[in-house]
Amino acid sequence: DQQVKQNSPSLSVQEGRISILNCDYTNSMFDYFLWYKKYPAEGPTFLISISSIKDKNEDGRFTVFLNKSAKHLSLHIVPSQPGDSAVYFCAAISSNAGNMLTFGGGTRLMVKP
Amino acid sequence: GAGVSQSPSNKVTEKGKDVELRCDPISGHTALYWYRQSLGQGLEFLIYFQGNSAPDKSGLPSDRFSAERTGGSVSTLTIQRTQQEDSAVYLCASSPGLLTDTQYFGPGTRLTVL
Repeated sequence: DQQVKQNSPSLSVQEGRISILNCDYTNSMFDYFLWYKKYPAEGPTFLISISSIKDKNEDGRFTVFLNKSAKHLSLHIVPSQPGDSAVYFCAAISSNAGNMLTFGGGTRLMVKP
Repeated sequence: GAGVSQSPSNKVTEKGKDVELRCDPISGHTALYWYRQSLGQGLEFLIYFQGNSAPDKSGLPSDRFSAERTGGSVSTLTIQRTQQEDSAVYLCASSPGLLTDTQYFGPGTRLTVL
């Protein structure tokens, strides 16, 4: 059973608009969350992270929101640019368990010029 | 400086053969991670090393998979008696320390088992 889910396999957004990528998790032990971006034929690139003690973290055009009660996080990209077109993965860690990084299935974002 | 490198970039092998994949992490990074991405699937975590030690091997898909790291640097992922379902891109990443540090990924090794 998937512990981290990205229910939208793809998302299409117009350039300049907001992109919202969603991620849900089931394991309440997760206490740190990360977003990665992946271009074809390249390894994933770290984007932004958030600790469970926060509900928001912002870095330039990227903002991650965490709703612990709903076990939901989202990545907002504003404004979206064509170069943002890639597959975005969310990932979660339970640092107390000293355990693995669990990834969602990814969402392919397409930003149209 | 140099990033994470992996070799080979592509590997085609016959079912039943053994393969060895190599990862050179960023110099000074104590943590090293192996992932797998199968066609149409998300990233699957396999194993991580803190120094030369792998605290948890439960992410490895089967006992045909093994990994080692020596000298706190280079790591090899070995797949014995390869099966067609092993075909995937195998990604390696390293980070300065803890799991919550930013992980820097290599370009991956594309493994095709015929």
